[in-house]
Amino acid sequence: GENVEQHPSTLSVQEGDSAVIKCTYSDSASNYFPWYKQELGKRPQLIIDIRSNVGEKKDQRIAVTLNKTAKHFSLHITETQPEDSAVYFCAASMGGGYSTLTFGKGTMLLVSP
Amino acid sequence: NAGVTQTPKFRILKIGQSMTLQCTQDMNHNYMYWYRQDPGMGLKLIYYSVGAGITDKGEVPNGYNVSRSTTEDFPLRLELAAPSQTSVYFCASSTGTRRETQYFGPGTRLLVL
Repeated sequence: GENVEQHPSTLSVQEGDSAVIKCTYSDSASNYFPWYKQELGKRPQLIIDIRSNVGEKKDQRIAVTLNKTAKHFSLHITETQPEDSAVYFCAASMGGGYSTLTFGKGTMLLVSP
Repeated sequence: NAGVTQTPKFRILKIGQSMTLQCTQDMNHNYMYWYRQDPGMGLKLIYYSVGAGITDKGEVPNGYNVSRSTTEDFPLRLELAAPSQTSVYFCASSTGTRRETQYFGPGTRLLVL
């Protein structure tokens, strides 16, 4: 089955800095890669996703890049703010049919004022 | 729309007891999922369903059972609770068209003593 590795497990940055979280996946058939944000005590919520026919996708301060050859994808957050502090999860899916998501173990991002 | 709702929010069980975690969605989603979240371990898929009457095992199904008699409801049954089942349980749902985007419920925190 699919295996998703996520790094780093914790990341501390100063407000205004950029943050990068990286994930690798094992199954070359995977073609959908979402990122979820989970604030303390809350449910995970989708913040951005990318499909294998796209190399990069942006939404305001967040962006995701995908390298299918190397089987890795990354989340980039620019101009970080304290409210960006949360746990971020990457995931991978083969899409279609009865596909399911395989999640990474998460990255705790702490943004200090 | 209430989205995905779960009950109870928190429960303490004694070893060997049984309980049912309830999950309901009002978005007419075909796909529903149960995850458990342990500290530092991400989200692990327990069971999922692609429609009423159809369920399948995920990564960690042992000790759990599910049923899907209606589109809206997807209860998770714990038989003979064990301390290893102490976790936070999330239910999620997704559409049949863009099925990979999952919407999570607020979670149920379970403590088995």
